[in-house]
Amino acid sequence: DTAVSQTPKYLVTQMGNDKSIKCEQNLGHDTMYWYKQDSKKFLKIMFSYNNKELIINETVPNRFSPKSPDKAHLNLHINSLELGDSAVYFCASSQESRGNEQFFGPGTRLTVL
Amino acid sequence: AQSVTQPDIHITVSEGASLELRCNYSYGATPYLFWYVQSPGQGLQLLLKYFSGDTLVQGIKGFEAEFKRSQSSFNLRKPSVHWSDAAEYFCAVGPYSSASKIIFGSGTRLSIRP
Repeated sequence: DTAVSQTPKYLVTQMGNDKSIKCEQNLGHDTMYWYKQDSKKFLKIMFSYNNKELIINETVPNRFSPKSPDKAHLNLHINSLELGDSAVYFCASSQESRGNEQFFGPGTRLTVL
Repeated sequence: AQSVTQPDIHITVSEGASLELRCNYSYGATPYLFWYVQSPGQGLQLLLKYFSGDTLVQGIKGFEAEFKRSQSSFNLRKPSVHWSDAAEYFCAVGPYSSASKIIFGSGTRLSIRP
């Protein structure tokens, strides 16, 4: 079973659309994250949730809204997509008792046309 | 300011040769250090980590890294690379506690010469 899974793997959409990316982890971890990796491979954290509570909220446009229905899921909804949102989005999870070691999902490549 | 520097953007080594990827960090507290590998089209996989104890840590796939506090470095090494090691390598630093931000370096792309 995949530890951290994301859907979809690829997402191609038009500017102005609204889209969601889903993430699920079956590791029993209490913390989940969203990262954005740009075309230069630079990886930057966007959000983190601990037991469904928002812990980290970096300087991200309001068009991005994370939602954590339970501690095994962290979804990312993006409104009014822009060309600059094109990137690979990674979900990750970690467990407090194991420190900050993060387990990453396979990524979702978002292309905005 | 907290930061991670990977000075080499791209390195090419011959198969069977030794490898060292450099990582320097700036961190105010006791750092928790990581090396991750990203194969093309894949997510990040943890190679190894260091928080305390022996400063030479062993990881998966034959990799090791040495923490040198005096130099603020955490260089990754492998004695003999294989073609399958071609990938992007990321060094990262953060606090031990979970739910805290990890800062990633900009990555080093490793190519293997046959």
